[in-house]
This record gives sequence, C-alpha cells and structure tokens, in this order.
Amino acid sequence: DAGITQSPRHKVTETGTPVTLRCHQTENHRYMYWYRQDPGHGLRLIHYSYGVKDTDKGEVSDGYSVSRSKTEDFLLTLESATSSQTSVYFCAISESSVWDEQFFGPGTRLTVL
Amino acid sequence: AQKVTQAQTEISVVEKEDVTLDCVYETRDTTYYLFWYKQPPSGELVFLIRRNSFDEQNEISGRYSWNFQKSTSSFNFTITASQVVDSAVYFCALSGPNTGNQFYFGTGTSLTVIP
Repeated sequence: DAGITQSPRHKVTETGTPVTLRCHQTENHRYMYWYRQDPGHGLRLIHYSYGVKDTDKGEVSDGYSVSRSKTEDFLLTLESATSSQTSVYFCAISESSVWDEQFFGPGTRLTVL
Repeated sequence: AQKVTQAQTEISVVEKEDVTLDCVYETRDTTYYLFWYKQPPSGELVFLIRRNSFDEQNEISGRYSWNFQKSTSSFNFTITASQVVDSAVYFCALSGPNTGNQFYFGTGTSLTVIP
C-alpha cells in the first residue's frame, strides 16, 4: 500500500472556524491532490499540487486553500468552515503526472455544525 | 467537455452471479486514460486498473475483466462469480490532456452481493 496518511481522521467543528487537514506521503511522489466525496457527486477535485509550492485549483476550490512546503506534506485549509463543507476529504498522490494512477489516503470525515 | 457517466446507481446480485458495471465517457482528446477504483464499506479507495486510449485489448485479472470500446465510448467492468467481498462502490474515472490535470470521476455504482 502507498504510504499516505491523513490527519485528523475525524473532526467536528463549528461554522466560521478555521480547519486544516494534513496529508503526508512517504512515496516521494510529485503530484498530490485533495478531493471531497459527497453522496451523488462521486469525488470532486478541490486543489492539487505538482511540486513544492506549485498548486492549482480544481473543480470545487471556492472556500479552500492549500499549501505544500515539503514534498511529503500537502495541507488543505478551510478558512471559515461552512455546513456545506461537511464531507469526506481524501488526499491522493501520483508519481509523475496526472495521467498516472492515483493512490488515496484513508480519508478525513469533517462535520461542520 | 470531459464527463464520466455511471448510470447504474445501485446493483444487487446473488453470490456467484456475474455482474457488469457500466461506464460511459465523453472526451475531445484522442489520448486519454480510463481508471476503475473500488471503495469497500471500510471507505478506502483502491486502484483497480488504468487503460490508455490506444490499447483496446480487453483485460482480465482473476474474476475481474474490463471491456474497452472506443466506438461506444465505454469502459465496462465485469465481475465473474461475484463474492460478498466484492460488495463496494465502484468508480470509473477519466484523465487526459484537456482535463486540466484533473481526474473526472463518475458518481459510482454501489454493488451489493447477497450471500
């Protein structure tokens, strides 16, 4: 299994509070991704990174920011959480291009009250 | 536009039956990649297969097989002699030069195998 961990695994927070989710990989893969999974929508890309300090927006980036200061870590921040951001968040990695298969972390279940 | 359609939302089969999960895609690219992932009840996403658009050979891996047909823009997944452990949500995904470095996932098919 690819070495991908996410923290925290579960979080309950209140509307308006900032939240940061962490993805850590031990595979030295170049690409990292953040997805959210919601019923009826499958997985939708929030942001991705193609190298240290190189990031770009995905399909549903509004309300989210990311940072990647080291190859192994990719952070997802909700500046001011809203109830619509209640979801399961998955981190993924791929070796050298977006066309490679992606390997996923275990997910973080976030509830915004 | 890039799009992946999995029209079957839920499927139930009795153990040992064969089942086919449909995936239809739309893309303007001539080079693209198709993927299948499995999400068992435990929640993790497991990579199953990657296929590029130039390789239309069907692939078989144990009880799993994949049928890629460019003429109908389909990449269907068949499980032969289904088992209870096959119960999961299965996602088809598309990636290519015009997807902006993104995977486009279908909405998934939930498969329940009844013992």
